[in-house]
Amino acid sequence: NAGVTQTPKFQVLKTGQSMTLQCAQDMNHEYMSWYRQDPGMGLRLIHYSVGAGITDQGEVPNGYNVSRSTTEDFPLRLLSAAPSQTSVYFCASRNTGGSQGYGYTFGSGTRLTVV
Amino acid sequence: AQKITQTQPGMFVQEKEAVTLDCTYDTSDQSYGLFWYKQPSSGEMIFLIYQGSYDEQNATEGRYSLNFQKARKSTNLVISASQLGDSAMYFCAMREGLTGFQKLVFGTGTRLLVSP
Repeated sequence: NAGVTQTPKFQVLKTGQSMTLQCAQDMNHEYMSWYRQDPGMGLRLIHYSVGAGITDQGEVPNGYNVSRSTTEDFPLRLLSAAPSQTSVYFCASRNTGGSQGYGYTFGSGTRLTVV
Repeated sequence: AQKITQTQPGMFVQEKEAVTLDCTYDTSDQSYGLFWYKQPSSGEMIFLIYQGSYDEQNATEGRYSLNFQKARKSTNLVISASQLGDSAMYFCAMREGLTGFQKLVFGTGTRLLVSP
């Protein structure tokens, strides 16, 4: 099925551990992004990419790294997990227009808990 | 400054009735897009409806419609004939600009509960 695939769906980390959240899309979209969702705060942009080899920071980038070696994949790395990174993470791939008007298709999310 | 404001933390509606969820936005761009997403308890973000800043008619998608008032910078979501499955969080979001990445900026959401 076409769309955005995120893995894992759930993860518990200990403070200081590192991990990579995977994101893949099969729609050949150039634009991809990572958001985090915290209670009462909506979704906030962490990092984004406008194409293979090109990434940039969003509004809450600290503690996260990204890379974009292919059009399909956009992994998010937590370098040294902190309890403040407990959140739900969404990967999103940009639509090219039509009825969704350049909006984004979201993955199903990764619920991360850092203890 | 808040770019997307959803002033209703929670709304209640009875099944089969209509409900309006409010959203106001702030931008100096002439070109922008407004979105509504639904987030059920399972957690995924589901696109509902889109309104472009240059669209002259209010957007409609099935039971969902937008009351877009550009001068007032508001884009309220109207759900007609509410169903139990409409119980969810609803997020308003805005895409700014014509070129480049054009990130989405989200409001804090409104939780809708539909009762039988």
